[in-house]
Amino acid sequence: KAGVTQTPRYLIKTRGQQVTLSCSPISGHRSVSWYQQTPGQGLQFLFEYFSETQRNKGNFPGRFSGRQFSNSRSEMNVSTLELGDSALYLCASSWGGGGANVLTFGAGSRLTVL
Amino acid sequence: DQQVKQNSPSLSVQEGRISILNCDYTNSMFDYFLWYKKYPAEGPTFLISISSIKDKNEDGRFTVFLNKSAKHLSLHIVPSQPGDSAVYFCAATTGLANNLFFGTGTRLTVIP
Repeated sequence: KAGVTQTPRYLIKTRGQQVTLSCSPISGHRSVSWYQQTPGQGLQFLFEYFSETQRNKGNFPGRFSGRQFSNSRSEMNVSTLELGDSALYLCASSWGGGGANVLTFGAGSRLTVL
Repeated sequence: DQQVKQNSPSLSVQEGRISILNCDYTNSMFDYFLWYKKYPAEGPTFLISISSIKDKNEDGRFTVFLNKSAKHLSLHIVPSQPGDSAVYFCAATTGLANNLFFGTGTRLTVIP
């Protein structure tokens, strides 16, 4: 079966712009989580959506937002981009909630902010 | 505040030998721990996990050990193979939520 698909894979933006990233989870998975990976910081949790509701949120500013659609596909948006937002953004899906559910990650969207 | 720490950024071992990757955590509420492996240009893939009610879990060449009193876990790979060369991330969660706390990763290089 198809894995987690993230688009676009690479993008370059300039400071002040906004960006929208898309994630299509594995068919049947209802939970979608987003993580930011930067050198030296590892993966940091952004937020999790389950059945179109944000169920959990990490410690990121309000410029980072997301949503989930009825087909479980998810988008995340970053407004007023800063240089420090340059990172690999990873989406992961799972069947349901709870840490015992193994997350399946996509290959990520690499954002460069100039 | 990094609640999960991997203090060794890199590790090199000879093929056939044991690889030991270490991870420490600070939050005593964590009750489920996972290891993920990441190859370049790919997302992390799940490797093995352990619940806090256990102190060891094995899956083929991979064994994870958990020492709750020391808040320490380790991943043993025996024997190590060149295909194991990747970045390994340790992660922890409370089990109630789907947000994982990741370490910064250890790059393992297995030398043929």
